[in-house]
Amino acid sequence: EAGVAQSPRYKIIEKRQSVAFWCNPISGHATLYWYQQILGQGPKLLIQFQNNGVVDDSQLPKDRFSAERLKGVDSTLKIQPAKLEDSAVYLCASSDITDTQYFGPGTRLTVL
Amino acid sequence: AQTVTQSQPEMSVQEAETVTLSCTYDTSESDYYLFWYKQPPSRQMILVIRQEAYKQQNATENRFSVNFQKAAKSFSLKISDSQLGDAAMYFCAYMQGAQKLVFGQGTRLTINP
Repeated sequence: EAGVAQSPRYKIIEKRQSVAFWCNPISGHATLYWYQQILGQGPKLLIQFQNNGVVDDSQLPKDRFSAERLKGVDSTLKIQPAKLEDSAVYLCASSDITDTQYFGPGTRLTVL
Repeated sequence: AQTVTQSQPEMSVQEAETVTLSCTYDTSESDYYLFWYKQPPSRQMILVIRQEAYKQQNATENRFSVNFQKAAKSFSLKISDSQLGDAAMYFCAYMQGAQKLVFGQGTRLTINP
């Protein structure tokens, strides 16, 4: 069974530029999560989707971050404009009927 | 809000020996899940073990086992016969229902050959 796929693996941008990350969950997983992991910390949830609906986006900085999950499968997370403090690893996860979350390899974002 | 605390930023153990990583959490709920995830330098979070709060029996997965003390809100991970491949950051996490994971700060485990 294929795992959670994410791309790109690395991205370097300058502040005020925009960036987008892509995630493809494990086949059949209805719930998809985006987490932000700042160096030296545990991941923190940005947004949770159930199929193509948003369940929790309370920690998403909506003035600059947006996310969508069209057709209830793939998801895209966008940052526009990026700030220095957005430098982090962005992790995508999906969960099965047991609610166990499985993570992708992550995207390391560096904002200069 | 639920919180998870890992009081050991770093731990080290000799290869083939046993090590225990500590985790405490705070919640007013009675039904929830607890997890240990491993994050090697590759950054991918890998599930190590899962515990349902309603189960009194401690979860076990091969060399990994937990000591779940619900009243004390403690959830420690024991790694037996440590191997070089066990070296990683270990995160304890709490989840209620089909909701977000709340992670601790992590413990960096080093295995000495």
